[in-house]
This record gives sequence, C-alpha cells and structure tokens, in this order.
Amino acid sequence: DQQVKQNSPSLSVQEGRISILNCDYTNSMFDYFLWYKKYPAEGPTFLISISSIKDKNEDGRFTVFLNKSAKHLSLHIVPSQPGDSAVYFCAASAINSGNTPLVFGKGTRLSVIA
Amino acid sequence: DVKVTQSSRYLVKRTGEKVFLECVQDMDHENMFWYRQDPGLGLRLIYFSYDVKMKEKGDIPEGYSVSREKKERFSLILESASTNQTSMYLCASSPGSGLDTGELFFGEGSRLTVL
Repeated sequence: DQQVKQNSPSLSVQEGRISILNCDYTNSMFDYFLWYKKYPAEGPTFLISISSIKDKNEDGRFTVFLNKSAKHLSLHIVPSQPGDSAVYFCAASAINSGNTPLVFGKGTRLSVIA
Repeated sequence: DVKVTQSSRYLVKRTGEKVFLECVQDMDHENMFWYRQDPGLGLRLIYFSYDVKMKEKGDIPEGYSVSREKKERFSLILESASTNQTSMYLCASSPGSGLDTGELFFGEGSRLTVL
C-alpha cells in the first residue's frame, strides 16, 4: 500500500512557465516532507523540504505548499528552465514518531521544453 | 559537504555470481541505507542500518544481505545475482542521533546489469 503517491508519471512544460508537481500521502503521522531531484545516472539530490507546522516554504524558484487537511503537497517551479528536466521524488518522514526511513513516491519525470 | 561514495558506477555480472556493492560516507553519519531505483517503481528500500553491526529489512530485502562492520561503510551483497536484480542501486546516509530530519545524502549510484 503506497503511503506516498505521485500520480503523474510525467509532465511537460514550456520554458519560462510554471511547473507544478503533486504528491499525496496517506499516513497522518508524517510530519516532514522533502523533494528530491534526480538526473539520469546520478544519485538524487535534496531540493526543498517543509515541516508540517508550515504550509509554505520557498527557496528561489522553488516553492513547496502543504495542505495537511487534504494530505497533499505540491512543488512549484517558476520560471521553469531546461536544466530542471529531471525526475522529481516526493518523500515523507515521521520525525516525531522515532527514527524511521523516508518513504518515497514513484517520481514524476519533468521535461522542460525550450 | 557530505560525501557518499559508491565503489563502482557500472558493473556487469553473470547470473549466479556473488556481487558486492560498497558504500562509504565521510560525515560520521549513524544511519545508512540501500535503495534500488527502477523505472515506474521509484526508490525502494532494500536494507538500512542505524548503527554498526545493526541492520533492518526494508521493503524488498529478498535476495540481498548487508554488512556494516564499520560506521562509515555499508555493503550490499547479492549472494547469487539474478536478472531481475538488474537495476540502479543507491546508497544514502543521514545523521541520526536526534539530528535527523529524514533528509538523505545519496551516492552517485551503481548501475548493475546481470546477464
């Protein structure tokens, strides 16, 4: 049973436009959420995170929004650039419930078209 | 910067061979993890370790074992490689000891092909 779901396997966006990647979770114990970016033949790299006590976190072109009541988070990239083309993984952890591994979604492949 | 180093970027092995994938981290992290990544399946946790000589099964441990004899090193072992173990293997670490947000630091990955 998937606890973290990324329902869109792929997304194509024009350069300069906004990219919105979505993620849903089922476990109400999750209290920390992260986005990772992965290029082919490389390891994932951390992009941005958000604690459950916040509903928004912004870092440059990247903003993550959290809607706890809907158990939904989204990553906004604006403006999108060709170098943003990668697979994006949503992940969640239950920090206050002890030391448990991150749970990852299946990823969304973003293609930014010039 | 945290560095997680995986010993081999690309390996080609035969069915039935024993395969060792080595991972070393240089930041004194307590927690180490092995994942595999397959298209459409995301990152799946194989094994993890929160301390030396300690190991826990992840979601897909079958066909794998691990060894953590030293804090900085976490090895993944395929006792008898099979074609369905062809995959990208990713090692990761995190601080542990109450410093953890769950953020993982990943290595570059090891692409294993089993023929």
